[in-house]
Amino acid sequence: AQSVSQHNHHVILSEAASLELGCNYSYGGTVNLFWYVQYPGQHLQLLLKYFSGDPLVKGIKGFEAEFIKSKFSFNLRKPSVQWSDTAEYFCAVILYSSASKIIFGSGTRLSIRP
Amino acid sequence: EAQVTQNPRYLITVTGKKLTVTCSQNMNHEYMSWYRQDPGLGLRQIYYSMNVEVTDKGDVPEGYKVSRKEKRNFPLILESPSPNQTSLYFCASKFRTGDTGELFFGEGSRLTVL
Repeated sequence: AQSVSQHNHHVILSEAASLELGCNYSYGGTVNLFWYVQYPGQHLQLLLKYFSGDPLVKGIKGFEAEFIKSKFSFNLRKPSVQWSDTAEYFCAVILYSSASKIIFGSGTRLSIRP
Repeated sequence: EAQVTQNPRYLITVTGKKLTVTCSQNMNHEYMSWYRQDPGLGLRQIYYSMNVEVTDKGDVPEGYKVSRKEKRNFPLILESPSPNQTSLYFCASKFRTGDTGELFFGEGSRLTVL
């Protein structure tokens, strides 16, 4: 069955540290990939998305992600985190074979120490 | 303002007392979906709707019902709530089933079943 794995459940960093959150999916076909962010007490918001073309995509607030097809990965990165980045981050995949099926990872909670 | 609106935002109820969580979107989206969010499990799809009068089960439909009589509304019905349905619920919508665009989420409804 198709799935999305986020291996880091909780990441704790100090301000200005670099961030990389892992996301791997299991599906051999064409996919669209997303990262959503959920700030404390709020709903999910789109951070960035990959459809095609340049595998390095840039999103809001200095985030970027790289699609590596051979590794089935779509890791999220930020060179220098801020306290305001404290949130839960979800990776999501839409399968081209079933555009109604959106699969979410279990989420990674990011805590930033001021 | 484009938005997905859920009500109620918070609800405490007792086992067996029927309840409905409403969801309304003002973006003329064809596709709507309900998710529940539980710690460590991420978002799991309950039901989705591809258009008016067209609904289908997601990954965890047991104990829930939905209806889509109008394009803008997609209520989630718990006929006989049980404590294992205590969760945070999100409604989401996107333009149409076949597109691979982003989901727009409501603010969430936190339900506690005693």
